[in-house]
This record gives sequence, structure tokens and C-alpha cells, in this order.
Amino acid sequence: DAGVIQSPRHEVTEMGQEVTLRCKPISGHDYLFWYRQTMMRGLELLIYFNNNVPIDDSGMPEDRFSAKMPNASFSTLKIQPSEPRDSAVYFCASSLGLAGGETQYFGPGTRLLVL
Amino acid sequence: QKEVEQDPGPLSVPEGAIVSLNCTYSNSAFQYFMWYRQYSRKGPELLMYTYSSGNKEDGRFTAQVDKSSKYISLFIRDSQPSDSATYLCAMSPNTDKLIFGTGTRLQVFP
Repeated sequence: DAGVIQSPRHEVTEMGQEVTLRCKPISGHDYLFWYRQTMMRGLELLIYFNNNVPIDDSGMPEDRFSAKMPNASFSTLKIQPSEPRDSAVYFCASSLGLAGGETQYFGPGTRLLVL
Repeated sequence: QKEVEQDPGPLSVPEGAIVSLNCTYSNSAFQYFMWYRQYSRKGPELLMYTYSSGNKEDGRFTAQVDKSSKYISLFIRDSQPSDSATYLCAMSPNTDKLIFGTGTRLQVFP
């Protein structure tokens, strides 16, 4: 398997623009996670899905952020409108389950810079 | 106060040194403890996983959990330049999401 695939790898946009990040999880994994990583706050969970259904979105910072998983092999994280404070690395991860100790496999991340 | 605290470093050591990385936590319900390694411009990858208290060894790496003190450690023996990375601790109660520390950046110089 190719692992978790994310696109784009880098995104530079201007404040107010819409940004869409994409993720393809590992085939057969039932859980998909979106994280944001910054120097100040570390790795923060934004939202996770189980079998394409959003389970916990308590980490989504504002209504400007939305995430969807239309099928088992694709998810998007959208920011509209984007702001400079959204600049961070966004990771997608997937796992077989949520039981303690279940390994989460991370994608390479999308580096977002909002000017 | 964060649920998981981790010194961000950076920690710089010479090749061959023993490295100790640590995390403290506040939630006594945490049962599963993991260490993820993240190389520069890459995603984190699982390095070691421990359930409840005790030690676990894997090659040059040893993970320790002290639940009474709410303290976990990762030891790296005979450190190598290839160990240079950010190390993130992560933990969860059981069937719940992982809570990550902010990560400690380690540099091993030849």
C-alpha cells in the first residue's frame, strides 16, 4: 500500500481565499483523522471519522473549518475564508480502529501558508 | 494546564550518548502510551507502544511508564545521528482519541 496520501504538499494563499486539503487513507482503515501542527500548540486533533461518519469535531477551531468524507477513500478539509493564523502543517492519518494502542498512520502533511 | 506536557527542547547530544525523553500527564485514565518519531518535513510514525505501567524494550529504545507519578520516558542507548528527529509522546484512555505532547526535538551530532 502507498500509505496515506495528501495533496497538495504545499499551499500558499492569500487571506480570505478558500483552501481545500485532500486525503486518501490506507485502504481498509475505518478511522480517519485530521490534525494541525504548529510550533506553539504542537499536534492538535481537529476531527475524526469512523466509516465516513464524523465522530468528534470538537477540535475544529471555528466555523470557517469544515471536513467531509464522501467515501472510504477520500476526505477533504476546507478552510473558508482562510486567515494568516491558519498557517500550519495539516496532517491526515488513518487507522484500523480506535482501541488503545491502535497505530495511526500519518500522511506527509500539507504545509499551508496564508499571507 | 495541558493534559500532556513535554519539554520542546531542542536536546543536542553527541553520538553514542544515552538520551532520555520525558512526558508528564494529568489524566489518570490514560492506559495506552506511545512514542511517535517525526523526521523533518515528514509525518509522525509510531516508534513504541506500552500498555499501563512498566518497561518495554526494542533494540536501542526503552519505554517506561510510571502511572503513580504520571510520568513516561523514552530512553535511547548508543544514540546515532539518524535518531535526530522530533519525538512526540501520545496517550489515550482506551477506545478514545490520542492526546499528543508538543514534541521534543533531538539532535545527535557525530
